[in-house]
Amino acid sequence: EADIYQTPRYLVIGTGKKITLECSQTMGHDKMYWYQQDPGMELHLIHYSYGVNSTEKGDLSSESTVSRIRTEHFPLTLESARPSHTSQYLCASSGLPGQGTNQPQHFGDGTRLSIL
Amino acid sequence: AQKITQTQPGMFVQEKEAVTLDCTYDTSDPSYGLFWYKQPSSGEMIFLIYQGSYDQQNATEGRYSLNFQKARKSANLVISASQLGDSAMYFCAMRRDSSYKLIFGSGTRLLVRP
Repeated sequence: EADIYQTPRYLVIGTGKKITLECSQTMGHDKMYWYQQDPGMELHLIHYSYGVNSTEKGDLSSESTVSRIRTEHFPLTLESARPSHTSQYLCASSGLPGQGTNQPQHFGDGTRLSIL
Repeated sequence: AQKITQTQPGMFVQEKEAVTLDCTYDTSDPSYGLFWYKQPSSGEMIFLIYQGSYDQQNATEGRYSLNFQKARKSANLVISASQLGDSAMYFCAMRRDSSYKLIFGSGTRLLVRP
């Protein structure tokens, strides 16, 4: 079993609030990712990191921001939540340092975010 | 541009029968990797199987096998002896170029009938 954890599992919150979605992994992976997924739809990469102090935007434009101060921790922040941010957010990690690109990404259970 | 196509939005299969979920891909890169994930209704993504573009043999993991046809750019997932717990969304994904990033198909919803 992969050891990657996301909190909260569900979040219902009002418009304008600041939100931080937590993601931690205990596998020592240096690569981490955030995906956004609407119900029944495909996953879209919104952020990724290849190591500490390294973050990049993904394919889908997102108003969220991320940070990678520690290897195991990759939180995602929304400064001012809006109803359009309602979605599922999935965090993933892959690969020990030096491992090739054939390593699968391991996912957390996701956060289902609903902005009222 | 790299792309993953899953043409079956939904599939039914009888319990204990085999089922094939289709996946085609488009890339000009000679080196790539293909992954299949399962997503139950609870939402988590579960890694099932991996196939590298240079692998000579089709990948197998228990009841899962990958029918890799490189010339046709297809990587179909075969589930043998379906179980009720196999009911879920299934996503095909491709690692692109030399990066660690994945692009995903739109998924196939599989329902196993008792």
